[in-house]
Amino acid sequence: GENVEQHPSTLSVQEGDSAVIKCTYSDSASNYFPWYKQELGKRPQLIIDIRSNVGEKKDQRIAVTLNKTAKHFSLHITETQPEDSAVYFCAALREGGYNKLIFGAGTRLAVHP
Amino acid sequence: ETGVTQSPTHLIKTRGQQVTLRCSSQSGHNTVSWYQQALGQGPQFIFQYYREEENGRGNFPPRFSGLQFPNYSSELNVNALELDDSALYLCASSAWGGPAFFGQGTRLTVV
Repeated sequence: GENVEQHPSTLSVQEGDSAVIKCTYSDSASNYFPWYKQELGKRPQLIIDIRSNVGEKKDQRIAVTLNKTAKHFSLHITETQPEDSAVYFCAALREGGYNKLIFGAGTRLAVHP
Repeated sequence: ETGVTQSPTHLIKTRGQQVTLRCSSQSGHNTVSWYQQALGQGPQFIFQYYREEENGRGNFPPRFSGLQFPNYSSELNVNALELDDSALYLCASSAWGGPAFFGQGTRLTVV
């Protein structure tokens, strides 16, 4: 069935370091890949997304890369700050059908000052 | 902040009871999806409504049902509540084919 695996489950970095979170999806028809940030007790917040016709997308300190052949996509955060601390979820969706997002299990990122 | 609002924010129910959760979608969005997020896990898709019709459902039993109204707001109803139904229920709205934006969620506790 449809599945998204996400690694690592926890990530601890020093302020200013980079953080990388990786996801693998199973449905080869998936063509839209959003990333959400969820702070404790808050809603998941869309931070960046990528479609399958693009290999990389960047927005200031965050970037996402996609390897369709390997069915991998990754979130890269550079120059991490304490306010980046949160749980990050990757998701995959097959556009053209209904908007069923398949989420990974999440990565708890802790950025230490 | 998104324009997606959910009510109530917290709810405590007894096993066997029924519950209705509400969601107002963002202006311009005609699609509402509901997700269940258990503690420490990613959201799980329950179902989606588009133009007042359910057009997609995840692996949830029929006691999970919903409605979408002409103004695109939506309700999630859960009958015969079980302890395992305790979770954060998230509503997401989108334009068809567009990115999904989540509400703040309803924390349901079943005792």
